Amino acid sequence: EDQVTQSPEALRLQEGESSSLNCSYTVSGLRGLFWYRQDPGKGPEFLFTLYSAGEEKEKERLKATLTKKESFLHITAPKPEDSATYLCAAMTGANSKLTFGKGITLSVRP
Amino acid sequence: DGGITQSPKYLFRKEGQNVTLSCEQNLNHDAMYWYRQDPGQGLRLIYYSQIVNDFQKGDIAEGYSVSREKKESFPLTVTSAQKNPTAFYLCASIKSIQGTEAFFGQGTRLTVV
Repeated sequence: EDQVTQSPEALRLQEGESSSLNCSYTVSGLRGLFWYRQDPGKGPEFLFTLYSAGEEKEKERLKATLTKKESFLHITAPKPEDSATYLCAAMTGANSKLTFGKGITLSVRP
Repeated sequence: DGGITQSPKYLFRKEGQNVTLSCEQNLNHDAMYWYRQDPGQGLRLIYYSQIVNDFQKGDIAEGYSVSREKKESFPLTVTSAQKNPTAFYLCASIKSIQGTEAFFGQGTRLTVV
């Protein structure tokens, strides 16, 4: 059974304090690893897709990396507006099954 | 503008009723998905479809049904067999080859009254 685990469940940072969010996966045949941001009461907003170990992608203060067992979302010098829940998901199989982790709730204090 | 649209935003269901949630996309995406989100549970996969007239059960399909008669549309029916339907329902679509575009709708909040 495909499993995606995110840690920690919640993270509180001071503005400007850089950190990383972890997404570990145990799946058969990873086709892509997705990262999303979700604000309360809204649908998730797409951030990145990573396809192979060693790949990195950046967007503003966010940088996503991928290894054979896990992915990291690094946030550099976060601001209060970065506060949200961050979700990762693994795509597998010929039918493109997309399995999500439970998410990491990030709070950034000014 | 292209996008993925879910309707209605809020839906109330009486005990024993079936209700249908709409999901439409004009992005020419191949794969579509339905998820349920409960507090502290993350997104759990209900059904997904790679192509028209074909779909697969996800991890929590019991009490739900779907159809994929058109590429643009993937409606979800919550049947009376679903014992705890109150939740936030999210629809997503992805252009599955290399999956570079992966968008969600804004969700439907279903409440049983």
